[in-house]
Amino acid sequence: DVKVTQSSRYLVKRTGEKVFLECVQDMDHENMFWYRQDPGLGLRLIYFSYDVKMKEKGDIPEGYSVSREKKERFSLILESASTNQTSMYLCASTRQQTNEKLFFGSGTQLSVL
Amino acid sequence: GENVEQHPSTLSVQEGDSAVIKCTYSDSASNYFPWYKQELGKRPQLIIDIRSNVGEKKDQRIAVTLNKTAKHFSLHITETQPEDSAVYFCAAGPLGAGSYQLTFGKGTKLSVIP
Repeated sequence: DVKVTQSSRYLVKRTGEKVFLECVQDMDHENMFWYRQDPGLGLRLIYFSYDVKMKEKGDIPEGYSVSREKKERFSLILESASTNQTSMYLCASTRQQTNEKLFFGSGTQLSVL
Repeated sequence: GENVEQHPSTLSVQEGDSAVIKCTYSDSASNYFPWYKQELGKRPQLIIDIRSNVGEKKDQRIAVTLNKTAKHFSLHITETQPEDSAVYFCAAGPLGAGSYQLTFGKGTKLSVIP
């Protein structure tokens, strides 16, 4: 069974903290994505990566950065968390050179106080 | 960039009735249109997708139709069951080597009343 695993289901952080959200996939997929899900706003793409050490900005990259040092792992970094970054964060992956059939993780609900 | 509008935002139907969710897109370069279903507390999962060279696709009780001229596509669920209750997201984007980005609609919360 294919798996995209996000390290935390719930996370509570304070304003100004540096936050790391981790995602690991076991499908040998080349592409990995970070989405943010907010009620009434759907899924919005933050960053994606199509290869190790490669990254591309999505629609809402401000306030975020990413790291992909290994093929199976894609990290989302909030350099200085703010309250408007309270959200559900979803990681996803797909096979090479396609956006077909995204496999999503279970999500991390981040609260920034 | 691409803009995807999805309607309605909420939909309630009686068990056994049909449900229709509609999406419009803006970028004529988009040629791939998937639908994802997210049950409460769970991850989104692909339920059906369609490419622009096809006008309709069916999979048991669900079907998707595409009108490229009008830039809209729809999800049809027949004989709805309580387990169809979920949030449904449409999306649009390019398909081909090096295509990665999908733009999602804001979602439709479908409630099937037993």
